[in-house]
Parts: sequence; structure tokens; C-alpha cells
Amino acid sequence: GAVVSQHPSWVICKSGTSVKIECRSLDFQATTMFWYRQFPKQSLMLMATSNEGSKATYEQGVEKDKFLINHASLTLSTLTVTSAHPEDSSFYICSVGELSYNEQFFGPGTRLTVL
Amino acid sequence: DAKTTQPTSMDCAEGRAANLPCNHSTISGNEYVYWYRQIHSQGPQYIIHGLKNNETNEMASLIITEDRKSSTLILPHATLRDTAVYYCIVRVGIGGKLIFGQGTELSVKP
Repeated sequence: GAVVSQHPSWVICKSGTSVKIECRSLDFQATTMFWYRQFPKQSLMLMATSNEGSKATYEQGVEKDKFLINHASLTLSTLTVTSAHPEDSSFYICSVGELSYNEQFFGPGTRLTVL
Repeated sequence: DAKTTQPTSMDCAEGRAANLPCNHSTISGNEYVYWYRQIHSQGPQYIIHGLKNNETNEMASLIITEDRKSSTLILPHATLRDTAVYYCIVRVGIGGKLIFGQGTELSVKP
């Protein structure tokens, strides 16, 4: 299966700053990547679908101007949390999933803490 | 995609079979049943999926009832490393986005 990495694995930032999280597909080219958010003791919530070379598709209720997604290449998608606030503190997870694949391959996640 | 219902938590003795149920009474004919698990503070891991027939792989077995309104994931010999949250997901097709429910927190005890 595909190997997916995320960087950084954890980050602490001050309120009001922006944080960029990278998601890399290490061993195959991914036209589609997904971004999820998970709060403590809760399930994963799909935030957006990232498509290479085009605009991301955001789920209802997710602010596209706050969570900027860029999928500029077949191996890299980035999520930027702009003007982060403490309520944005969460576990952010990306995944890679193509229509020809039976399964999605998930990254290890990035834990964001906003002070 | 159809909604699923799972018990919040379950315990299982190490070495015994773990049977995790999932109800999906509104499933459509073209919707697949997927199982993923998430070990604490890690990304989810694919386990198995099926449409109508029972399926088995090196990790688990998936039993789908004839009317497809429910299914059971079976871990034949649970180990402590199987302690995780198990998610049953129903969706159309084999690709595309996954919508996670609350899942079942399985605790395997010595």
C-alpha cells in the first residue's frame, strides 16, 4: 500500500499565527488527497478533498479562507491554518485515495496546539 | 452514504475472537461496507471491505447478513495490539471520501 507522511508531527504556535501542515505521498502519485480533523475523544471529521491542480472541495461548515489547501503536485498537499486560535487545536490527518484503490492510506497525523 | 450504528465500547480477552457488530439498515444496493481502525494518536488503518459476500484477509473476517442490513467484523485471535477504535463505514463505490461515525472502542485485556 501507499506510504503517507505528514510534517510536522506536532506543532505549538501562538494565537493569530498561521501554521502549514504538509502531506506527502511517498510512493505513488495521488491526484486526490483528503484532510480530516479530530478533536479529543471524537471521531474523524472530513474537512476537504484536495485535488491536484484544482481547487479543493470543502465540506459544509469548513471555512475555506481559514483552512487553505494547496495540492500543487501529485505527491504533496498542504493545509494552512490561518490566524490560528485555541479552538483550532486538534489532530489533523491526511489520506490518499484514488478511485482505483479499495482503501485510503492515512498519514500519521499532526497535532496542533494553539496557545 | 448510509448511516451506521456501532456499540460505543467492547472488551475482549486476549487470544479470544473479537466480534464487532455494525448496523446499516438503510444501506443501498451499490454501497460497500468498510472497516477501519485507529490506534490511539495514529492515522486510521484499513482492515477489510465487502459488498455482499463474506470476506476474509490476513487481519480479519467480515460477515455481512443476507439482507445487508448489518455486518460483523471478526478478529479471530485478538491481541493487546488490537486495542483501538474500530469504524464501520458504508459508502458508494470503492473510491472517494470516507465519512466516519463514532466507532467502537475495543479494549483487549490480558
